[in-house]
Amino acid sequence: SQTIHQWPATLVQPVGSPLSLECTVEGTSNPNLYWYRQAAGRGLQLLFYSVGIGQISSEVPQNLSASRPQDRQFILSSKKLLLSDSGFYLCAWSDRWGIYEAFFGQGTRLTVV
Amino acid sequence: SQQGEEDPQALSIQEGENATMNCSYKTSINNLQWYRQNSGRGLVHLILIRSNEREKHSGRLRVTLDTSKKSSSLLITASRAADTASYFCATVTLNTGANSKLTFGKGITLSVRP
Repeated sequence: SQTIHQWPATLVQPVGSPLSLECTVEGTSNPNLYWYRQAAGRGLQLLFYSVGIGQISSEVPQNLSASRPQDRQFILSSKKLLLSDSGFYLCAWSDRWGIYEAFFGQGTRLTVV
Repeated sequence: SQQGEEDPQALSIQEGENATMNCSYKTSINNLQWYRQNSGRGLVHLILIRSNEREKHSGRLRVTLDTSKKSSSLLITASRAADTASYFCATVTLNTGANSKLTFGKGITLSVRP
């Protein structure tokens, strides 16, 4: 069966520090991969999605970047965190053609102080 | 930008009552999905309805889709306290090359009072 792992669960980072959140998927190949951010009490904002290794689409201009070094690995990064980067980050995968349901990781609560 | 918009933003009902949540969207879709999120957790897929379907059932869930009005509704019958969560609609649009993306609305907070 397919599983998705996202870590860490919580993270407190100072302003200006780098960030690396990792997400891996097991039990499937060639998935579509997504990074979402959820501000407190808000909906999900799509940050990045990827349809293959090295293929990243950015949805909104921001202080973050994403990479997909392997088929089932998706990384969210920042060189210098801002206070506004605080939020709940969710990784998800869906079928290669993306018309089926998405499966989410448990999320990372990032607090930038 | 967000495709779907749910309403109401918050809903409070008594256990045993039915809960109806609505979602409207703007552009043509391949399918529409509803998800549930418990506080501080990831989202869990509930049900998917394709653009050529009008109604779908899954247990106590009933979803309708009206593509002419670009709207969907989620009905939870005989609600339970455990149904307390946030509910999101999400739409799938097919981009060039059949690659698609899943975009979410802002969600509805459902509280079911025991």
